[in-house]
Amino acid sequence: ILNVEQSPQSLHVQEGDSTNFTCSFPSSNFYALHWYRWETAKSPEALFVMTLNGDEKKKGRISATLNTKEGYSYLYIKGSQPEDSATYLCAFNSGAGSYQLTFGKGTKLSVIP
Amino acid sequence: DTGVSQDPRHKITKRGQNVTFRCDPISEHNRLYWYRQTLGQGPEFLTYFQNEAQLEKSRLLSDRFSAERPKGSFSTLEIQRTEQGDSAMYLCASSPRGGGNQPQHFGDGTRLSIL
Repeated sequence: ILNVEQSPQSLHVQEGDSTNFTCSFPSSNFYALHWYRWETAKSPEALFVMTLNGDEKKKGRISATLNTKEGYSYLYIKGSQPEDSATYLCAFNSGAGSYQLTFGKGTKLSVIP
Repeated sequence: DTGVSQDPRHKITKRGQNVTFRCDPISEHNRLYWYRQTLGQGPEFLTYFQNEAQLEKSRLLSDRFSAERPKGSFSTLEIQRTEQGDSAMYLCASSPRGGGNQPQHFGDGTRLSIL
C-alpha cells in the first residue's frame, strides 16, 4: 500500500502572505509526482508533473520542488490571493507500466482578504 | 479543448438501486481513468482504460462495479445494488499517450448520494 501524506491538512493565510505545503511519498519505485489544485465546484486542475530529483517548476506565483531521494515535494505560493483558495493535492505514480495516481488527502488553503 | 465532461453532475438514489455514470474524455486522449473521492480523503483510483481495453482495476472495485469503454471513446461506470458506502464523488480523467508523467485532465465529477 502506497502512502502519500500531505501537511498541513488546512491552512488560513492573510492576503499577500507567502505559504508552502509538504507532500511526502515513497522514495522507492518513484516515477512521477503530480500537483493539482481543486477549487470548490470545479474539476481538479493539473499544476505540475515532476519527475527528476532536484526539479523545480514554476507557474506564475506558484512553484514546486522535488526530492526523490528523501521522498518529499514542496509547493510554494508567493503573495497569496483570495483566488488561490482551494485544496491542493499531490499524487504519486510508481511507473512500471502503471498509470494510476495515488493521491494524498490534500491541503485546504483559505486566503483571507 | 472541450475538456472532460461527466453526466450527471448529481445523482440521488435509494439504496439497492442501480446507477450509471457517463464520462466523455478529451477527444484525442486514449487513456481514461475513474477515481472515487469520499469526504476528507483524496481521490482513490478505481480503474483505467487504454483505448477500449481495461488494463488496471483497483481492489476497491467490487463485483457490484463495472466499467466499460466501447470503441475507446466515452466510458460508463455502473454500480449495481447501491449501498450507503457508495456515496461519494466519482471523478473521470483522461490523458494522452505517454507514461505516468502525463497530467490527467479531470471532469467536474458526479456526486452520488445514497438515501
